Amino acid sequence: NAGVTQTPKFQVLKTGQSMTLQCAQDMNHEYMSWYRQDPGMGLRLIHYSVGAGITDQGEVPNGYNVSRSTTEDFPLRLLSAAPSQTSVYFCASSLRGSGRAYNEQFFGPGTRLTVL
Amino acid sequence: SQELEQSPQSLIVQEGKNLTINCTSSKTLYGLYWYKQKYGEGLIFLMMLQKGGEEKSHEKITAKLDEKKQQSSLHITASQPSHAGIYLCGAAAGTASKLTFGTGTRLQVTL
Repeated sequence: NAGVTQTPKFQVLKTGQSMTLQCAQDMNHEYMSWYRQDPGMGLRLIHYSVGAGITDQGEVPNGYNVSRSTTEDFPLRLLSAAPSQTSVYFCASSLRGSGRAYNEQFFGPGTRLTVL
Repeated sequence: SQELEQSPQSLIVQEGKNLTINCTSSKTLYGLYWYKQKYGEGLIFLMMLQKGGEEKSHEKITAKLDEKKQQSSLHITASQPSHAGIYLCGAAAGTASKLTFGTGTRLQVTL
């Protein structure tokens, strides 16, 4: 298994440009999530999905769109990039737990995005 | 919303010394994750705790969950340079697809 893969690893954008960060997992996980990591602020949840066709907003969703047409893929779209979106983006996936049981969240290697 | 506070924010220890990192939640903890992140890299899963009083160990790292105190601790015994990195705790907010993270503890291990 490749686990959780993210592309690209690095990206530089100009303000106003749009782009899509790709995330894929080959573990047949129902849950997938996008986080951003900024210095001194830990990781913050952007959007998440509990299954194909189902997405919801996290803590910092503004300026981002997601869709989940397949179990494997969960792309994150930046509609009009802003310097405030300069960050490291992580995708994660996990199996659905039963009741209050949780499962390990697997993280991708991250995408380092700079918006000029 | 749930908030996680980690302490200390940074730590420098001499190789061979023991250390403890704490993660305190503003709400009841149901699922608590510990991750390690090497500088500029992704997150490596260490352990997950789900029950009050639960304790798990992996090599020289032990994590405990104190449900009453809404706190988890991560203890490293006989630290090594390979333990250096950022340690992050994350709490499940109703579903494992939504984790709230602490701001991390930066660990340096000196020779």
